Amino acid sequence: AQTVTQSQPEMSVQEAETVTLSCTYDTSENNYYLFWYKQPPSRQMILVIRQEAYKQQNATENRFSVNFQKAAKSFSLKISDSQLGDTAMYFCAFIDQTGANNLFFGTGTRLTVIP
Amino acid sequence: GAVVSQHPSWVICKSGTSVKIECRSLDFQATTMFWYRQFPKQSLMLMATSNEGSKATYEQGVEKDKFLINHASLTLSTLTVTSAHPEDSSFYICSARDRIHSNQPQHFGDGTRLSIL
Repeated sequence: AQTVTQSQPEMSVQEAETVTLSCTYDTSENNYYLFWYKQPPSRQMILVIRQEAYKQQNATENRFSVNFQKAAKSFSLKISDSQLGDTAMYFCAFIDQTGANNLFFGTGTRLTVIP
Repeated sequence: GAVVSQHPSWVICKSGTSVKIECRSLDFQATTMFWYRQFPKQSLMLMATSNEGSKATYEQGVEKDKFLINHASLTLSTLTVTSAHPEDSSFYICSARDRIHSNQPQHFGDGTRLSIL
C-alpha cells in the first residue's frame, strides 16, 4: 500500500526567505506521479507542482521547485522568496502511473509566512 | 483549464435533514469522481470513488447508506448525506479525473462546508 508522510505539522518562514517542506512516501511501484497541493484558508485545493517519477529532472514552477530523490522516496518542496500569500496548508500526494486510483495525501504541513 | 464546480459551497441545516452536494465537471468529461471529507486541521480522507454508470466504491468505515453517491452522467456526481446529524458536519470536497487526459492531475471542486445544527 502507498503511504505519504509529512513529518512537519507546522513551519514558519520570514517573508522573502526560502523554506523547504519535507515529504516521504512508500510504494512498490516504479512509475507514479507526485504532487504538492496548497490549501489556503479558503480551503480550495490548488495544484502547486507535479513530478513524474520517470523524469530525473526536478520540476520547477516559478518560485516553487522540488527535490525528487526516487531511491530515497523523498519529494521535498522548496519555496523561494516566500510571500504572504504562500501561507497555507501544503499537502504532498501520490498517485500510480495510470492515475486510475485515488490520490494518497500526506497529513499536511501548515506554513506561515511572517511579514 | 479544467474546472470542477461544487455546489453548494456552504449549507446549514437541521438535524435529520438530507443534504445533496453536486459536483460538476464544466469543460471535460469525468468517468471517475472522488469524494473526500476533511476535518479541521486534518488531511483529506477519501470517502468513495464514483464511476459513471456504476455503483460507487466506498472506503472502509464509510457508510454507503448514509452517504449516497450517484454518478449518472459524465459530468455530474452527487453526494447525499442522509438524515444528517451534527457529527456529519465537515468539509466535503470532490475531485474529477478527465476521461481523455486520465494521467493528468485530478481537478478539485471548491468544497462544501456542511454544518448540522
